[in-house]
Amino acid sequence: TQLLEQSPQFLSIQEGENLTVYCNSSSVFSSLQWYRQEPGEGPVLLVTVVTGGEVKKLKRLTFQFGDARKDSSLHITAAQPGDTGLYLCAGERTSGSRLTFGEGTQLTVNP
Amino acid sequence: DTGVSQDPRHKITKRGQNVTFRCDPISEHNRLYWYRQTLGQGPEFLTYFQNEAQLEKSRLLSDRFSAERPKGSFSTLEIQRTEQGDSAMYLCASSFRDRAYNEQFFGPGTRLTVL
Repeated sequence: TQLLEQSPQFLSIQEGENLTVYCNSSSVFSSLQWYRQEPGEGPVLLVTVVTGGEVKKLKRLTFQFGDARKDSSLHITAAQPGDTGLYLCAGERTSGSRLTFGEGTQLTVNP
Repeated sequence: DTGVSQDPRHKITKRGQNVTFRCDPISEHNRLYWYRQTLGQGPEFLTYFQNEAQLEKSRLLSDRFSAERPKGSFSTLEIQRTEQGDSAMYLCASSFRDRAYNEQFFGPGTRLTVL
């Protein structure tokens, strides 16, 4: 059973476009983390959101945690080819426990 | 500041052989996690340690898999009698328990191919 549903699974856009990736669940998470992964490498942590309704910005990336702490979104403004990669959301049910990952969104930004 | 390291980065083995992977966490981190990732999927949890104690094991971790963290520092993951279905990326992550929330930092992974 996939507790975290990510959409879309694949996204191919042109440089300069905006995009949003969604991460949804019926379960409540104590925190949610977003990672970016390159082929053949481990996931790299981008951000952790903890409080319902929280918004965090990382340059052109904006992360939001849903009010009920069941869902999250990642918005990228003016995407660049360097943003290409696999974006993963991962939720933690209780602090310090395992992470449950979504299936990932493979983003390709074409120059 | 060194991150999580894993060794080897790649391993090719024949079906039925045993393999062992090593993970060195970030030095002050007391929690260590193992995950497995197959192509096109997100990582799946296998097991985790707090210091040297193994606190949880996934049902994915069959009796052919064993993990240890003998002194609460590095960890090893052994797979006995490998099968082709064991081919995957094995990821290690570490975190520091006493923070308000648990940020896990991943190593580069070990890519296992079972022929």
